[in-house]
Amino acid sequence: DQQVKQNSPSLSVQEGRISILNCDYTNSMFDYFLWYKKYPAEGPTFLISISSIKDKNEDGRFTVFLNKSAKHLSLHIVPSQPGDSAVYFCAARDWGKLQFGAGTQVVVTP
Amino acid sequence: GAGVSQSPSNKVTEKGKDVELRCDPISGHTALYWYRQRLGQGLEFLIYFQGNSAPDKSGLPSDRFSAERTGESVSTLTIQRTQQEDSAVYLCASSSWTDTGELFFGEGSRLTVL
Repeated sequence: DQQVKQNSPSLSVQEGRISILNCDYTNSMFDYFLWYKKYPAEGPTFLISISSIKDKNEDGRFTVFLNKSAKHLSLHIVPSQPGDSAVYFCAARDWGKLQFGAGTQVVVTP
Repeated sequence: GAGVSQSPSNKVTEKGKDVELRCDPISGHTALYWYRQRLGQGLEFLIYFQGNSAPDKSGLPSDRFSAERTGESVSTLTIQRTQQEDSAVYLCASSSWTDTGELFFGEGSRLTVL
């Protein structure tokens, strides 16, 4: 039963523009939401997180928005850079363990 | 070391053989996790150790899978009688108990079952 869903397997964006990645979840007991970035042949690396009691968290070019009523979160990357090309995973914490979405492959084009 | 270390980085085995995958977490991290990523898919939770508590084994796909952890140190994931569907990258992560839930991942062990 997939409780964290990323419905867009891929996203192509032009360098300098905004990348918007979306994530939906079904479990209202999740208390923290995180975004991870993964390059090929490497482990995922943490990007940004948000508590379930907040609706926005910003860190440099990365902003995460949480809409609890819609059980939806999004990651905005602006401006997008070539080094942002990677797979992005949405994750949600449930009793200490993280459940991950299937990932979105982002390609930033010149 | 500074990060989570996993070994072997690559393992090719024949169907039916047993394999052991090792994880050295970041020193001082009380929590340790095993995830699996099959080709083209997301990260699938397998098992979670937190301090001296009983591990959360709810993600183990069958009784062929088991994991142990020595105190708050090394963990070993064992797969018995491997099947071709076990082929995946097995990722280990560790964390200290923080409010953010951030996990630090190793580079993974790629298992190929022929």
